[in-house]
Amino acid sequence: AQTIHQWPVAEIKAVGSPLSLGCTIKGKSSPNLYWYWQATGGTLQQLFYSITVGQVESVVQLNLSASRPKDDQFILSTEKLLLSHSGFYLCAWSPSDTEVFFGKGTRLTVV
Amino acid sequence: GDSVIQMQGQVTLSENDFLFINCTYSTTGYPTLFWYVQYSGEGPQLLLQVTTANNKGSSRGFEATYDKGTTSFHLQKTSVQEIDSAVYYCAMSPNSGYNKLTFGKGTVLLVSP
Repeated sequence: AQTIHQWPVAEIKAVGSPLSLGCTIKGKSSPNLYWYWQATGGTLQQLFYSITVGQVESVVQLNLSASRPKDDQFILSTEKLLLSHSGFYLCAWSPSDTEVFFGKGTRLTVV
Repeated sequence: GDSVIQMQGQVTLSENDFLFINCTYSTTGYPTLFWYVQYSGEGPQLLLQVTTANNKGSSRGFEATYDKGTTSFHLQKTSVQEIDSAVYYCAMSPNSGYNKLTFGKGTVLLVSP
């Protein structure tokens, strides 16, 4: 069975500090990978997607970047956090053109 | 562009009540339609999906019919239970090759015993 693991579970960070969130998918080779962001009480917005190692496409600009260093790993990062980056970050995967499976998310609070 | 409209921000019901959550979508072509459920502090879970127009999806007592004529995918359940309390999202994928899911704003369902 496939599993998706996100880390950390929660973070409290200062404005202007760097950020790195991670995600690992086990049990599936070459999955499509995604990062979603959810503001408190808001809907889910896709940030990035990746179809293969080393290739990441940006969907919306939020002063964030993403990388896929390995087939099963997806990283979301920024060098300088803004207050507006607060929210719930979700990593997700899909086998191909089918349903998307989400991780448990990382709660980020920027102070 | 693609869009998904959920007008109901919150629905409050009692156990055994009938549930109906509106969802309409706008896109070109034949998208795949989904309902996701999100419990507090967790990621969304797929509740049901339909890939073919005029087909019905069902899961755990929930149903939704893909109506291409009215571009709707309303969620229904005959008799809700307290454990159904969660946020429900309608979503759409245009089947462009990588699953760009577009989500509605979500509907908070509160079911009292």
